Amino acid sequence: DQQVKQNSPSLSVQEGRISILNCDYTNSMFDYFLWYKKYPAEGPTFLISISSIKDKNEDGRFTVFLNKSAKHLSLHIVPSQPGDSAVYFCAASGRDFGNEKLTFGTGTRLTIIP
Amino acid sequence: EPEVTQTPSHQVTQMGQEVILRCVPISNHLYFYWYRQILGQKVEFLVSFYNNEISEKSEIFDDQFSVERPDGSNFTLKIRSTKLEDSAMYFCASSGRINQPQHFGDGTRLSIL
Repeated sequence: DQQVKQNSPSLSVQEGRISILNCDYTNSMFDYFLWYKKYPAEGPTFLISISSIKDKNEDGRFTVFLNKSAKHLSLHIVPSQPGDSAVYFCAASGRDFGNEKLTFGTGTRLTIIP
Repeated sequence: EPEVTQTPSHQVTQMGQEVILRCVPISNHLYFYWYRQILGQKVEFLVSFYNNEISEKSEIFDDQFSVERPDGSNFTLKIRSTKLEDSAMYFCASSGRINQPQHFGDGTRLSIL
């Protein structure tokens, strides 16, 4: 079951530069997308979300872009900081399913190089 | 900031034994969830719970699993007869309503011997 895919298992970015994390989905019924950040020995921490009626949502250093025709979303972090080093998960849900379960990607490990 | 709390942080159990994982969701939340993550794999949905009943469950959530909200604050996951393959991190989550972000606890690491 690969409904949500994060094709890059890892990414290294210089401090101060932009980090771009990508996510693809296959199920066109998904209409709500989220990014979570996870440190070792902790649970996923919610970062930012976007509804399918929008194509961009911004919160401070974090911006999520949604391209529905390509079934693709991305998370931009700018400027990247050492504390951003973590595993980032993309997740999706579909209100039209009549449920609210999240389907997660496999995660991308982001390392910020000082 | 309100948070989801889970206990214990690590549970070691003999195969075939019953285990109960406990969660205290955020106090004004109405939707509750359990997920699990086997080492090296994705976070997987197990079950969602609303209005004192299961609203959806995955195929992983078989007859060995049950959930309960015994009082106004706790939300528990019980595995009746544990198997080796139940070894995983179990995460509890809660949300205020549908299509609001789910907030996760730090998980319980379940190790089955």
